[in-house]
Amino acid sequence: DAKTTQPNSMESNEEEPVHLPCNHSTISGTDYIHWYRQLPSQGPEYVIHGLTSNVNNRMASLAIAEDRKSSTLILHRATLRDAAVYYCILRGLINYGQNFVFGPGTRLSVLP
Amino acid sequence: DGGITQSPKYLFRKEGQNVTLSCEQNLNHDAMYWYRQDPGQGLRLIYYSQIVNDFQKGDIAEGYSVSREKKESFPLTVTSAQKNPTAFYLCASSPTDQNYGYTFGSGTRLTVV
Repeated sequence: DAKTTQPNSMESNEEEPVHLPCNHSTISGTDYIHWYRQLPSQGPEYVIHGLTSNVNNRMASLAIAEDRKSSTLILHRATLRDAAVYYCILRGLINYGQNFVFGPGTRLSVLP
Repeated sequence: DGGITQSPKYLFRKEGQNVTLSCEQNLNHDAMYWYRQDPGQGLRLIYYSQIVNDFQKGDIAEGYSVSREKKESFPLTVTSAQKNPTAFYLCASSPTDQNYGYTFGSGTRLTVV
């Protein structure tokens, strides 16, 4: 199964940009890169996903390396509400559930 | 509004008892999943179902059982065979196309007393 690795924790100041990295060196050509975030005692929330090209939405931007072995979630202006655990995961063509593996993620702290 | 509903939010179980956690979705998603989360940890897959009347074991299926009699519903039973059931349980659903993500429920916190 394709796996991802992320830093355990990161810290940011409020209203500054945040770049959350993710490595996925064993990604296959059909794997989509998904990002979710989870607040305490809540279910994960979808943030963004992509395949090859960079993606933007109202929440964040996703920058995907040309070789697709890494990606970066960009929060353009961090707010206190962005403090959460961020998960980078891969969703593949087969075995949907088993390919959607959630590691420990990156715990983002936002300082006022 | 479409969504996925888990109930109850909190559940207490005595040792040796079976309990069933409810998960209902009205998103018309074919696939549904159950995850377990322990404090400070990521999510671990218990079971998943891609279609009605079919489901597959995940990484930690021992001590759990599921059914998928309707597209909208995917209940999880925590049996007495599960040695350490205290955890946060999350249900999710998705289309089967990998270009779509999960929608998660708000979770059920199970505590064995």
